[in-house]
Amino acid sequence: EAGVVQSPRYKIIEKKQPVAFWCNPISGHNTLYWYLQNLGQGPELLIRYENEEAVDDSQLPKDRFSAERLKGVDSTLKIQPAELGDSAVYLCASSSGTVIDTQYFGPGTRLTVL
Amino acid sequence: EDQVTQSPEALRLQEGESSSLNCSYTVSGLRGLFWYRQDPGKGPEFLFTLYSAGEEKEKERLKATLTKKESFLHITAPKPEDSATYLCAVHQIPGGSYIPTFGRGTSLIVHP
Repeated sequence: EAGVVQSPRYKIIEKKQPVAFWCNPISGHNTLYWYLQNLGQGPELLIRYENEEAVDDSQLPKDRFSAERLKGVDSTLKIQPAELGDSAVYLCASSSGTVIDTQYFGPGTRLTVL
Repeated sequence: EDQVTQSPEALRLQEGESSSLNCSYTVSGLRGLFWYRQDPGKGPEFLFTLYSAGEEKEKERLKATLTKKESFLHITAPKPEDSATYLCAVHQIPGGSYIPTFGRGTSLIVHP
């Protein structure tokens, strides 16, 4: 069974440029999560989707970050415009049921903002 | 104030030297405590879920235990391939909102 797929794996951009990350969850997983992980820190939840509905998005900086999950399958996280402090690893995870279920993480996208 | 604290931050062991990693938490409404392993350049990999005090789970050289205030990940006779960062996360649902809170992790290096 294929795991969570993320692309790109690495992205380098200039500040103020837009950037987008893509995630394809494990087949059949209806819950999808986006996390941000800074170096030496644990992941921090940005947003959680249950099917197409965004729930628990209180941690998402809505002035520059947006996310969508069309058709309840894959998802895109966008930053516009990017700032230097956005440099981090962006992780996507999915689970099959409730929030208590095991989350399976993708490899992440490492973003560097110059 | 950190709700999840992991210690030590880093740990170096000789192959075969058993030890324990600690995860202490101060959250209310705990719904589960998760342990993950994270290798460099990869996403966290699930190890264990513990739901109630007194619960224990084992997998190969790893054993996780849970009390009302902390969890331990015991590593018995570790091997170099056990080298990784070990993360714990607590899942709570205060007021209906889902809040998974991760600790900063313990970086484990096992020398041959």
